[in-house]
Amino acid sequence: KQEVTQIPAALSVPEGENLVLNCSFTDSAIYNLQWFRQDPGKGLTSLLLIQSSQREQTSGRLNASLDKSSGRSTLYIAASQPGDSATYLCAVRSGGSEKLVFGKGTKLTVNP
Amino acid sequence: EAGVVQSPRYKIIEKKQPVAFWCNPISGHNTLYWYRQNLGQGPELLIRYENEEAVDDSQLPKDRFSAERLKGVDSTLKIQPAELGDSAVYLCASSLAGYEQYFGPGTRLTVT
Repeated sequence: KQEVTQIPAALSVPEGENLVLNCSFTDSAIYNLQWFRQDPGKGLTSLLLIQSSQREQTSGRLNASLDKSSGRSTLYIAASQPGDSATYLCAVRSGGSEKLVFGKGTKLTVNP
Repeated sequence: EAGVVQSPRYKIIEKKQPVAFWCNPISGHNTLYWYRQNLGQGPELLIRYENEEAVDDSQLPKDRFSAERLKGVDSTLKIQPAELGDSAVYLCASSLAGYEQYFGPGTRLTVT
């Protein structure tokens, strides 16, 4: 059974800082991994999707990496802004399944 | 392009009452998902449809929950009767052939 863990559960940083959010999963036989953002009271917004054959994906100030063999992914946010404050969720789709297994998320606060 | 639409956005009911949620997926997306998200947790899959067929409902509490997707487009999720533990956010998502999932804003259910 796939399990996804996100560390830390909460993170507070000053504006302008670069930061890394971590995601680990127990079964390395994954199809892809998605990073989502969730604002309070809102749904999930997909940020980046990494296929199992890829090592990283980039979108603007965001960079996600994937190391299947170690069961880890990181989301790097450069030059953080107060508008980046949200909960970031990592989700893994295992091979042979269309089910996404989510972590509990990391709540990020960027202070002006 | 319109995103995934859900209604209502909020619902407050007394326990033992019935409740229904509606979802309209992104046009052309054949796969539709219902997730439940408890406070402080990641979403968990309840049921997945491919067109009109429910292909994964293993996590759906079938004694009180039911779902349908008529004509392979809109879907409704029903709870009857609701219990206090059903208080959560119910998220609908859709995808094209099981690729990247796009989420709606969710319905926040409070059972009193």
